Parts: sequence; structure tokens; C-alpha cells
Amino acid sequence: GESVGLHLPTLSVQEGDNSIINCAYSNSASDYFIWYKQESGKGPQFIIDIRSNMDKRQGQRVTVLLNKTVKHLSLQIAATQPGDSAVYFCAVRTSGSRLTFGEGTQLTVNP
Amino acid sequence: NAGVTQTPKFRILKIGQSMTLQCTQDMNHNYMYWYRQDPGMGLKLIYYSVGAGITDKGEVPNGYNVSRSTTEDFPLRLELAAPSQTSVYFCASSYGQGGYNEQFFGPGTRLTVL
Repeated sequence: GESVGLHLPTLSVQEGDNSIINCAYSNSASDYFIWYKQESGKGPQFIIDIRSNMDKRQGQRVTVLLNKTVKHLSLQIAATQPGDSAVYFCAVRTSGSRLTFGEGTQLTVNP
Repeated sequence: NAGVTQTPKFRILKIGQSMTLQCTQDMNHNYMYWYRQDPGMGLKLIYYSVGAGITDKGEVPNGYNVSRSTTEDFPLRLELAAPSQTSVYFCASSYGQGGYNEQFFGPGTRLTVL
């Protein structure tokens, strides 16, 4: 099976700083990874994904880094804004189309 | 497109009652999923479906049933509600081709069993 964990359940940053949220996974055969953002009272929203044949992928203000050697995934948010405050989940494809989710990191952005 | 819609938004059940959580998607996705999310936790897969007429168990299927008679709809049935089923339930869908596609989530149903 697959287990997915996050290093910190909470992260507090100042507005304008960069944020880094980390995730570890257990199955070296995992080949697809997604970061989701969940605002209070809402469903998870896709942020960015990466396949195992890549080490880095960039979106708008977000970057995902994948280190397959140590089975570690990170999400970097540049110039964090108050609207970025939410819970962030990493998800790892286990088999077929199934995803295993981590427990989430609560990001709080202080003005 | 409305995306993934879920009804109801909230529901309170008594122990032993039954109910159906509705989920509909208008993106013509083949794959659909039901998750539960307990407070402060990640999402756990209950059931999923790779197409109309095909369903399979996820991590935590006990106490639930599903059916998939159409591409659009994937209802989740609770037959004998128990306090342990108090949770937020999310439905999701994806293209599902080879698994290299994101899952789109609905807004959730908050269920309390007393």
C-alpha cells in the first residue's frame, strides 16, 4: 500500500514571504502526485501536479519539487497572500486512478 | 459547466436511519469517487467507479453502498447510520485515463449522526 505524510500540520508565514509545504510518501513505484488546496467549508481544489519523470514543475506562483530518491514532495508558494490561507494536501497515485491523501497542512498568512 | 454537485449540503441523522447522498457531474468523466473527511484528517476513499455499471471498494467501504447506472450520477447509500459515520463526504470525478488526471471535487455533504 501507500502511506502519505506531511512534516508539519500547521505553517504560519508573513504576507509576501515564500511558503514551503512538505510531503513524504512510502511507495517508490508511485508515479503521479498532486497538490490540492482546501478552503474552509469547501471541497479540495487542484493546484498543480507532477509526474515521476519530472523533478520540478511550475505554475502561477507555485512550484512543485519531487525528490524520488528520498520519496519527498514539496509545494512552494511565492509571495504568499492572505487568500492562500487554507489547508494544503498532497495526494499520491497508488493504483489505477486511486489517490492516497496526506493529512494536510494548515497554512496561515499573517498580514 | 456546474462541475461536481452534491446534495444535501448538511444532514442530521438518527442512529439506524438511512439516507442517500447524491452526486452528479456534467464533465462526461468516466471515473467517480466518494471520500470521507474526518476533522483534521485527510480524505479516505470509500468507493469508486470507473464507468457506468462498475463500482469497487476503497479503503473504508463498510457501512456504505454505491451504484452507477449513468455516467453522470454516483449516489452513496448509508443503510444503518452510526455515529462513526459522522463526517464530511466529498464526491469527485476524473477523466481517469491511466490515472494521470486530476480529480475534481464537489462542495461536500456534512453529515452528523446522533
